[in-house]
Amino acid sequence: EVQLVESGGGLIQPGGSLRLSCAASGFTLSSYWMHWVRQDPGKGLVWVSRIDTDETSTNYADSVKGRFTISRDNAKNTLYLQMNSLRAEDTAVYYCVRGYYGLDVWGQGTTVTVSS
Amino acid sequence: DIQMTQSPSSLSASVGDRVTITCRASQGIRNDLGWYQQKPGKAPKRLIYAASNLQSGVPSRFSGSASGTEFTLTISSLQPEDFATYYCLQHSSYPWTFGQGTKVEIK
Repeated sequence: EVQLVESGGGLIQPGGSLRLSCAASGFTLSSYWMHWVRQDPGKGLVWVSRIDTDETSTNYADSVKGRFTISRDNAKNTLYLQMNSLRAEDTAVYYCVRGYYGLDVWGQGTTVTVSS
Repeated sequence: DIQMTQSPSSLSASVGDRVTITCRASQGIRNDLGWYQQKPGKAPKRLIYAASNLQSGVPSRFSGSASGTEFTLTISSLQPEDFATYYCLQHSSYPWTFGQGTKVEIK
């Protein structure tokens, strides 16, 4: 079964850092571009970042550019999102998503709350 | 950035009704569009890819179509399990953008 499982969310103070992880199983991670998408509480979906298969190319939403870094370890079947200089407006559920004709398989999400 | 204008933002419908949701792109996106269903507390699930292709395992009452920059999701006969929020996503150019969502509620 194709599965994505996020971890690493939690409560963090403004200005802090957090690293999210996404463990992939049931498919070969190295064959797919991967993405992060977030959803503010009670709000819509926002695409955050994308990475190609061998980390040679990445894209970011303007709202996180320069603060967030997407990376992957294909040997460990794991995707990461390093989040620095966190702000209250980064509070959201973060989803790890496989890229195939858009976004096909989604993880269950991990919640990040930025608050003092 | 490409803006995706989704309408309506919400609708009330009865079981058995035909439901139509529309997304209009601010510029051409070819057929680089997907439709997603999200139920409360759950991750989104893709229903349609490449504007009109049914995702494997999705009931055939769901269909998608495209005309220029206007894209439509149709549910031919609404079922109880279809009450949810629906989003479109354009993946033609970065940043990828979602529509604002359509909440389908029980009348």
